[in-house]
Amino acid sequence: DTAVSQTPKYLVTQMGNDKSIKCEQNLGHDTMYWYKQDSKKFLKIMFSYNNKELIINETVPNRFSPKSPDKAHLNLHINSLELGDSAVYFCASSNVGGTEAFFGQGTRLTVV
Amino acid sequence: EDQVTQSPEALRLQEGESSSLNCSYTVSGLRGLFWYRQDPGKGPEFLFTLYSAGEEKEKERLKATLTKKESFLHITAPKPEDSATYLCAVQTTGSGGSNYKLTFGKGTLLTVNP
Repeated sequence: DTAVSQTPKYLVTQMGNDKSIKCEQNLGHDTMYWYKQDSKKFLKIMFSYNNKELIINETVPNRFSPKSPDKAHLNLHINSLELGDSAVYFCASSNVGGTEAFFGQGTRLTVV
Repeated sequence: EDQVTQSPEALRLQEGESSSLNCSYTVSGLRGLFWYRQDPGKGPEFLFTLYSAGEEKEKERLKATLTKKESFLHITAPKPEDSATYLCAVQTTGSGGSNYKLTFGKGTLLTVNP
């Protein structure tokens, strides 16, 4: 049973396209996150949702739009993809108050 | 701004050669310090949470300690399967949802040779 699952695992797309990454957790957590890991392996938070409510938006371009249909799902939609968006995107979840976060396996996005 | 610095960036050990990884932090108010392990192509895997200076936690060959300025991850008699990137992260007190995010260091790549 996968605790935090993301799809797809790999995504290769052309500049200017719009794409979505889906995330689901079966841990019963109230809080979900999107993190970005760049080519230097630096992991940085993008968004945090608590019970479907946006808590954190860390100066991410508005081409990135998270959507949380329910507290078990947090999807990431990216418009007008740019070369600099290439990275690994991780979804994570935790209990309220952000105790230990559990991460998905990541989605490697390559923009060509 | 919260800062987390990990050292060294990379560490090579022989099997059985004990060592320590360092994580120093500068934050306005520490709520918790977290250690994660990340294997290539995978997401970070939670190891420990430390909340107050003087606290220690152990798991197999790993022991994490915390002071007011830094944390150490001690690896005793490492094995090749301990090879991974070890990430340190802090969670802070305060408003604006700061307790809902982890601020990560850049990690230490540990390689344990047989």
